[in-house]
Amino acid sequence: SYELTQPSSVSVSPGQTARITCSGDVLAKKYARWFQQKPGQAPVLVIYKDSERPSGIPERFSGSSSGTTVTLTISGAQVEDEADYYCYSAADNNRVFGGGTKLTVL
Amino acid sequence: EVQLVESGGGLVKPGGSLRLSCAASGFTFSSYSMNWVRQAPGKGLEWVSSISSSSSYIYYADSVKGRFTISRDNAKNSLYLQMNSLRAEDTAVYYCATDYDSSGPGVYWGQGTLVTVSS
Repeated sequence: SYELTQPSSVSVSPGQTARITCSGDVLAKKYARWFQQKPGQAPVLVIYKDSERPSGIPERFSGSSSGTTVTLTISGAQVEDEADYYCYSAADNNRVFGGGTKLTVL
Repeated sequence: EVQLVESGGGLVKPGGSLRLSCAASGFTFSSYSMNWVRQAPGKGLEWVSSISSSSSYIYYADSVKGRFTISRDNAKNSLYLQMNSLRAEDTAVYYCATDYDSSGPGVYWGQGTLVTVSS
């Protein structure tokens, strides 16, 4: 099995750029996804294939990859973006989520 | 509109069994791999199991291997998770989710069903 490591928390002011990283050896060879989860709600896919955005996800959400680290960037973060964010990847028969990052926007 | 509705959660004693169901609608269920993901209270997401569209490929997390069984009935547009030998650490909200690219959860998720394992 493998692990994905995320910071436990990130804090930004409204309008600033938020960056959340996710590190793991598997990311050098496999794509990552990012999920947003607000309290009491199911997760929402916001980025797949490292940098692709599903239909309906605002353009301020973007993803990038470099070596064993992927980054979720929220440009001009808004109060409604406050949530937990999880990276995810899969290799062979293993599928794993990162530990999650609590994004605070205030 | 895609809908995934989980059911079957509840309170069960350690060592007991429970069967979760996920009713799917709004898409061609038989064409999609499916997943179960869980979240313990106040904790992060944990992938539990995946099953391919024809049930040919099935995967489990090490934490549930040998105790949980995923299955599906494409005629009934339903996904199942049979959970045996339940432990306190299995207490969680269990979500079903459609698969993306045969590699785990993607766009569509249900709202979850709570499983509580306690004496």
